[in-house]
Amino acid sequence: EAGVTQFPSHSVIEKGQTVTLRCDPISGHDNLYWYRRVMGKEIKFLLHFVKESKQDESGMPNNRFLAERTGGTYSTLKVQPAELEDSGVYFCASSRYRTSGVDEQYFGPGTRLTVT
Amino acid sequence: GIQVEQSPPDLILQEGANSTLRCNFSDSVNNLQWFHQNPWGQLINLFYIPSGTKQNGRLSATTVATERYSLLYISSSQTTDSGVYFCAVEPLNRDDKIIFGKGTRLHILP
Repeated sequence: EAGVTQFPSHSVIEKGQTVTLRCDPISGHDNLYWYRRVMGKEIKFLLHFVKESKQDESGMPNNRFLAERTGGTYSTLKVQPAELEDSGVYFCASSRYRTSGVDEQYFGPGTRLTVT
Repeated sequence: GIQVEQSPPDLILQEGANSTLRCNFSDSVNNLQWFHQNPWGQLINLFYIPSGTKQNGRLSATTVATERYSLLYISSSQTTDSGVYFCAVEPLNRDDKIIFGKGTRLHILP
């Protein structure tokens, strides 16, 4: 079984440009989470999809960030326009949906975003 | 690679009791973080604590980096503290990696 994959592994863009990160969860995992580690700081929750619906996006830092999960499969996280403080590592995780309790969460390898 | 072990795997306590969760790691790390997994599966940051002690209300954490362990203390436990607590480390020179422990499932009984 393939794990969670993320693309690209590393992206370097200039301030003001747009970048789109992609996450492919494990097949059959309805839960998809985005987290990020801003340089030198802790990992923080960004948002949570259940299938194609946003369950919780309270961690999204501002309206320059837009996440989608059309069709409930892969997800994209777009940053437009990117700012210097957006640099960091963006992690995606997925898990099976359970009606009660939570299942094990599997993390992808992360995308390192560098904004210059 | 680096190993992260959490203990105990399960802990059942009465409301009002104090609890101590432990995280051991097998190699030096840049950073260590404690998370609480909420009922929706979201990992919520509790402490970012590569070393030393931090406190936030009824929760506190201590990391002794030289001895490769961290402790999470919960005092006067409440039923809302129930859930799974994860420890995660950032290996040296690899800020793009997270290594998680298997978690401690805490049940606080009313």
